Amino acid sequence: EAQVTQNPRYLITVTGKKLTVTCSQNMNHEYMSWYRQDPGLGLRQIYYSMNVEVTDKGDVPEGYKVSRKEKRNFPLILESPSPNQTSLYFCASSRGQWGTDTQYFGPGTRLTVL
Amino acid sequence: KQEVTQIPAALSVPEGENLVLNCSFTDSAIYNLQWFRQDPGKGLTSLLLIQSSQREQTSGRLNASLDKSSGRSTLYIAASQPGDSATYLCAVRPNAGGTSYGKLTFGQGTILTVHP
Repeated sequence: EAQVTQNPRYLITVTGKKLTVTCSQNMNHEYMSWYRQDPGLGLRQIYYSMNVEVTDKGDVPEGYKVSRKEKRNFPLILESPSPNQTSLYFCASSRGQWGTDTQYFGPGTRLTVL
Repeated sequence: KQEVTQIPAALSVPEGENLVLNCSFTDSAIYNLQWFRQDPGKGLTSLLLIQSSQREQTSGRLNASLDKSSGRSTLYIAASQPGDSATYLCAVRPNAGGTSYGKLTFGQGTILTVHP
């Protein structure tokens, strides 16, 4: 089954404790992206990747890092999480380098930073 | 900076009604526009994608139109059903060249409730 998976689905952590949210797709897509969704602010793009080792910033990259060492995986790293990063996070992938085709979303990761 | 606005924020209709959701964007230099559906507690599902050169796209009871010059798109849902209840989001991709093609800006969504 074609899908985008995220782990963990739920995470409660404390300020400053490094964490990684994994994202994996099995569709051989070049493009992958991370978003956060907050009430009243909607979905905002954090980072995106056009292919292995190629990434670029979205609208809200501060406090986040990403890496794309393999085509199928695009982890989101919070080196020193803060309470304002409490949010619902979505990973997505798309065929083609620029993601200009239909995007497929993962189920989301709900992160709470205390 | 691109801004995307969706009106109304929420809509409640009886089953069977035809309805229109609106999406407007401030920068008309877009590559494409996409409509998504989000069910509570779930990720997004793509409904329709309209390229900047297209005027509309149709899928079943859904029809999306695009007027790039005026910065507007509409999603028309015919003969609405309770199963259509969800949040509908539109998103635009810039046509600014380079790596900016990878960017995607979302509206805040319209919460649709279709009651029996």
